[in-house]
Amino acid sequence: SQTIHQWPATLVQPVGSPLSLECTVEGTSNPNLYWYRQAAGRGLQLLFYSVGIGQISSEVPQNLSASRPQDRQFILSSKKLLLSDSGFYLCAWKGGGNEQFFGPGTRLTVL
Amino acid sequence: RKEVEQDPGPFNVPEGATVAFNCTYSNSASQSFFWYRQDCRKEPKLLMSVYSSGNEDGRFTAQLNRASQYISLLIRDSKLSDSATYLCVVHTFNDMRFGAGTRLTVKP
Repeated sequence: SQTIHQWPATLVQPVGSPLSLECTVEGTSNPNLYWYRQAAGRGLQLLFYSVGIGQISSEVPQNLSASRPQDRQFILSSKKLLLSDSGFYLCAWKGGGNEQFFGPGTRLTVL
Repeated sequence: RKEVEQDPGPFNVPEGATVAFNCTYSNSASQSFFWYRQDCRKEPKLLMSVYSSGNEDGRFTAQLNRASQYISLLIRDSKLSDSATYLCVVHTFNDMRFGAGTRLTVKP
């Protein structure tokens, strides 16, 4: 069966520091992968999606970037965090019926 | 207009009550529809897909009205464990759009 992992689970970072969040998927090949952010009390905002290695589509222009160095690995990065980057970051993969399955998320607080 | 709109609630209901959530979407080309459940500080989890003919899973019934671009979720005989935020999700091509969620609290 497929599983999706994210780490770290929680992160507290100062403004201006770099960021690297990792997502890995097991039990499936060439999945479509997604990064979302959920701000406190708000809906999910799609940040990036990837249909394959090295293929990244950006939904929202901002100081974040994504990379897919391996088939089942998806990384979210930033060179300099802003206060507004605080939120709950979720990675997801797409199943055969267009449904998406989420990892446990990373809760980021930027101070 | 938001692409997916839901009543944010909160809905506070007693155990055993029937509660209904509604959702509207703006893109008539949308292809697939889902309800997700999200517990506090956890990831969303797929509750059920929504099919054109309507579908039922135990105490949960989902319905879709493509003409009105409207989706609903009915929960019968509410349990304390049903307390969560319910997200309406609409898939269009390679794009998923999430409603902001409707919060449900079931009380003893």
